[in-house]
Amino acid sequence: DAKTTQPTSMDCAEGRAANLPCNHSTISGNEYVYWYRQIHSQGPQYIIHGLKNNETNEMASLIITEDRKSSTLILPHATLRDTAVYYCIVRVAVYYTGANSKLTFGKGITLSVRP
Amino acid sequence: DVKVTQSSRYLVKRTGEKVFLECVQDMDHENMFWYRQDPGLGLRLIYFSYDVKMKEKGDIPEGYSVSREKKERFSLILESASTNQTSMYLCASSVSGGAGGVAEQYFGPGTRLTVT
Repeated sequence: DAKTTQPTSMDCAEGRAANLPCNHSTISGNEYVYWYRQIHSQGPQYIIHGLKNNETNEMASLIITEDRKSSTLILPHATLRDTAVYYCIVRVAVYYTGANSKLTFGKGITLSVRP
Repeated sequence: DVKVTQSSRYLVKRTGEKVFLECVQDMDHENMFWYRQDPGLGLRLIYFSYDVKMKEKGDIPEGYSVSREKKERFSLILESASTNQTSMYLCASSVSGGAGGVAEQYFGPGTRLTVT
């Protein structure tokens, strides 16, 4: 699976959009981009995933560049509860039973939302 | 909502003890995983299971074993706990394959194990 690079940390003001970047320059055509987050003392939580098109759900938007070498997770109106470590993960689709569908978490980016 | 529960949030054991960590999911997921999380090392896969009684080694299986007798339950066993197994242990589950092969994993709250 392709490796990802994220800044160590960033902060944003409550109510403003948080834009979290991720580089994955060696991504392959069949690899998806996933975002998870981990709030302190909790297990990771799935946020969103995408292949090449931009995606949006109730939590966030995912913008993937046309060459797919980087992506940005957007939290449109950050709240204090969004303070967490955010992980960008790249992984191939796993279609068959028994395949190792593990996720490889790097160090992530620590987002601090300030009042 | 998918719910993954782990038997303990905090556990303290002595070196040499046999330790059982239990994980239960309520969404009929085929896949279940055990990870450990350590500062600076991220999450590392210990074992995963894709069906009852089926298991596969992950990246760091040494010192651990697992058991899956029922679909909803996946147990991690430390046969003889050692201090280097002090860590946060996270269980996760997912459907098999899923739509387009991209099934997300749902994690439990974690068990912080301290071995003294």
